[in-house]
Amino acid sequence: SAVISQKPSRDICQRGTSLTIQCQVDSQVTMMFWYRQQPGQSLTLIATANQGSEATYESGFVIDKFPISRPNLTFSTLTVSNMSPEDSSIYLCSVGVWGHTGELFFGEGSRLTVL
Amino acid sequence: GNSVTQMEGPVTLSEEAFLTINCTYTATGYPSLFWYVQYPGEGLQLLLKATKADDKGSNKGFEATYRKETTSFHLEKGSVQVSDSAVYFCALTALYSGGGADGLTFGKGTHLIIQP
Repeated sequence: SAVISQKPSRDICQRGTSLTIQCQVDSQVTMMFWYRQQPGQSLTLIATANQGSEATYESGFVIDKFPISRPNLTFSTLTVSNMSPEDSSIYLCSVGVWGHTGELFFGEGSRLTVL
Repeated sequence: GNSVTQMEGPVTLSEEAFLTINCTYTATGYPSLFWYVQYPGEGLQLLLKATKADDKGSNKGFEATYRKETTSFHLEKGSVQVSDSAVYFCALTALYSGGGADGLTFGKGTHLIIQP
């Protein structure tokens, strides 16, 4: 398993601003992903964070809106840019560890409210 | 593409009742299947998994069997407790032959409420 720390745990943001969420893992991991969970909804994959290269985005998500960095095997950031109330969600970092069989471990999430 | 369909709740049961939450999937190849649980105010936790056909995953009294012929992975528990009240998510992923995997595809989640 892996212990995943996300910051901030929650924030209230103004429309038009940007916020960066940090994800720190206590061990080196192969795969890192960012998910969004809108209120009362399921989890939607935003992108795969690739170490040392550009993230791979899912349909409906673009780099200009959700820039992602992954400088090493234990750390990643997700920025939510030019926020609107529709971006109010929980954003979750998840990781797959070495030799894993597909299961992912999740951070506690960052709950963003955009006014 | 991959997709997961699960019964939507809320599902309300009395304590000690038998639980079944249905989950069916669509995927290319042979995915790995998972059940995750989200307790109130907590993060998402892996409950159980199965990586090939006819495998049975089990944990905390919950079970699910990977049924390739019916593309299903139904979650069951013989006697539920109030502490089982949570949201349950069925999920799948495809493993790469050289290691690694896609991100998980989740169902919509089933809110389970157990009354004393």
